[in-house]
Amino acid sequence: GESVGLHLPTLSVQEGDNSIINCAYSNSASDYFIWYKQESGKGPQFIIDIRSNMDKRQGQRVTVLLNKTVKHLSLQIAATQPGDSAVYFCAETIHSGSARQLTFGSGTQLTVLP
Amino acid sequence: EPEVTQTPSHQVTQMGQEVILRCVPISNHLYFYWYRQILGQKVEFLVSFYNNEISEKSEIFDDQFSVERPDGSNFTLKIRSTKLEDSAMYFCASTRDGGADTQYFGPGTRLTVL
Repeated sequence: GESVGLHLPTLSVQEGDNSIINCAYSNSASDYFIWYKQESGKGPQFIIDIRSNMDKRQGQRVTVLLNKTVKHLSLQIAATQPGDSAVYFCAETIHSGSARQLTFGSGTQLTVLP
Repeated sequence: EPEVTQTPSHQVTQMGQEVILRCVPISNHLYFYWYRQILGQKVEFLVSFYNNEISEKSEIFDDQFSVERPDGSNFTLKIRSTKLEDSAMYFCASTRDGGADTQYFGPGTRLTVL
């Protein structure tokens, strides 16, 4: 079946370095993608989103890149800080009816080393 | 900043008992969702709700589950006869509209079925 998955289950980076978290999706009908951050014991927190008519979107210290040709999504975090340590999920959705269900990937644990 | 709230934060119940998980979505949001996350696994969609009816539901959302918006602020998930495998974090989310709009998640309720 269609799925969203992450390439790397864990990622360790030095504080101050840039982080890149990758995600593959298989449903070509998906038209909206979101990155969420989940800290231990908390709910998913929105980081950044991108629509399928865009290739790149930048936020504060974060950039999302979408490559529809290879169905690949990445999250770049600049100057990674200790507070960035968390599990990062990509999620995809297809406009269906009046509400969008999100399909989440399995998550990447980002650890920022001092 | 408005946020989704959920109560209780942790619910322990005996197998076969009924539980009701409560959510207060962001006040001007119209679309509501329940997701669950079994420990160590990805977040899974359960159900979406709009205009006082279910918009979509997943295979997980079987007859033992029901949702309700009993008043203008609360959104509840009821599990009629809990099973051991219902143990998970349950997240409520809401959006302002059903288009490409960010889903904001609550902090979750940890359900433990003994």
